[in-house]
Formats: sequence, structure tokens, C-alpha cells
Amino acid sequence: AQSVTQPDIHITVSEGASLELRCNYSYGATPYLFWYVQSPGQGLQLLLKYFSGDTLVQGIKGFEAEFKRSQSSFNLRKPSVHWSDAAEYFCACVTGFQKLVFGTGTRLLVSP
Amino acid sequence: IAGITQAPTSQILAAGRRMTLRCTQDMRHNAMYWYRQDLGLGLRLIHYSNTAGTTGKGEVPDGYSVSRANTDDFPLTLASAVPSQTSVYFCASSGEVNTEAFFGQGTRLTVV
Repeated sequence: AQSVTQPDIHITVSEGASLELRCNYSYGATPYLFWYVQSPGQGLQLLLKYFSGDTLVQGIKGFEAEFKRSQSSFNLRKPSVHWSDAAEYFCACVTGFQKLVFGTGTRLLVSP
Repeated sequence: IAGITQAPTSQILAAGRRMTLRCTQDMRHNAMYWYRQDLGLGLRLIHYSNTAGTTGKGEVPDGYSVSRANTDDFPLTLASAVPSQTSVYFCASSGEVNTEAFFGQGTRLTVV
């Protein structure tokens, strides 16, 4: 069965520092991969997605992610974090049956 | 305004009672999903539907049922609520398999 693993429950980053959030997937074929962000009390917003082509994808708010098949990873990065980026981030995966499964999330805290 | 509507926004429910959470979308999306979000567990898929007339079980289907009589509606029913079903429930929909999922604002359900 497919699964998505986000090994970091929470991460604290200083404002202006770089960020990397880890995501690993378990699926036989190449999945469709997504990163979503959830601000407190809100629904989820799509940051970026990967389904084929260039393995480095750009998203909104200055985020990017790199798909690495050899590592079954799809890590999210941002070169300089802003205080407004504090939120919970979810990696997600879709299989051919259009079954969308999420990881457990990583809560990002931004320190001044 | 196009999107997903969930109702109610919040509910306190006595254990043993039956409850239906409503979800309607006006984007003519084929796929719809129900998730529950619990602290530390992320979003867990309860049930999903790839198209009207079909449904499938997710990661945590026990105690829940769904129906998909038409494209727009995807209600989630708790036949006999238990306290462990206290959670925030999100409905989502997506069009093609490689496109983003759109989320409702959630239903906060407390079973006492």
C-alpha cells in the first residue's frame, strides 16, 4: 500500500534561514506528489506538485521541491524563511486510483 | 463562488447518535475525499470516490459510510458515534489525477 512519511514532527527555523522539510513515499510506480500548507484553523492550500518532467518544481510563496526517485523523496525547500511561513506542512501522494494520501505533517515554527 | 461547502461547521454529538456530515462541490470534480485530522496524526483518509456511483475505503473507514449519488454531493455518515470519532473532518475534491485537491473549511465534531 502506498504511504507517505514525514519524519519531522516539528522544526524550528530562524527567520531568514533556509528550510528543508523531508518527505518520503512508498509506492511501486512514480506517484503524483504534492505539498500543502495549513495555517491555524484553516483548510489546506496547495504549494506545489510533481507528476512528471523536471524533478525540481517551483511553487507559490518561494517554495520549491525536488523529486528524487532513487531516494523515494520529495523534500520541500525555501532559501529564506519568513515569519508568515509558520504553519503545518503536509506532503501527499496520489496513485492511479486517484487515492490521495497524506503524511502526518511537519509543524514549522519560525523564531525571530 | 466555486468551491467546496461543508456543513455543519461544528457539532457536539451524544455518543450513539447518528450524524451525517454534508459536503457539496460545484466544480464538477470527479474525485471526492473525506479526511479526519487529529493532532500528531495528520490527515487520514476515511473514504473516497473516483466518480459518481463509486466509493472506496481509505485508511480509517470503520464506523463511517459514504454515498455518491451524483457528482456534487459526498455525505459522510456516522451510524453510531463514539468519542474516538471526535475530530476535525475535511472534505476535498479534485478533477484530474494530477491536479490539486480543493478542501472545505472543515467540520469540528465532538462526540460526548
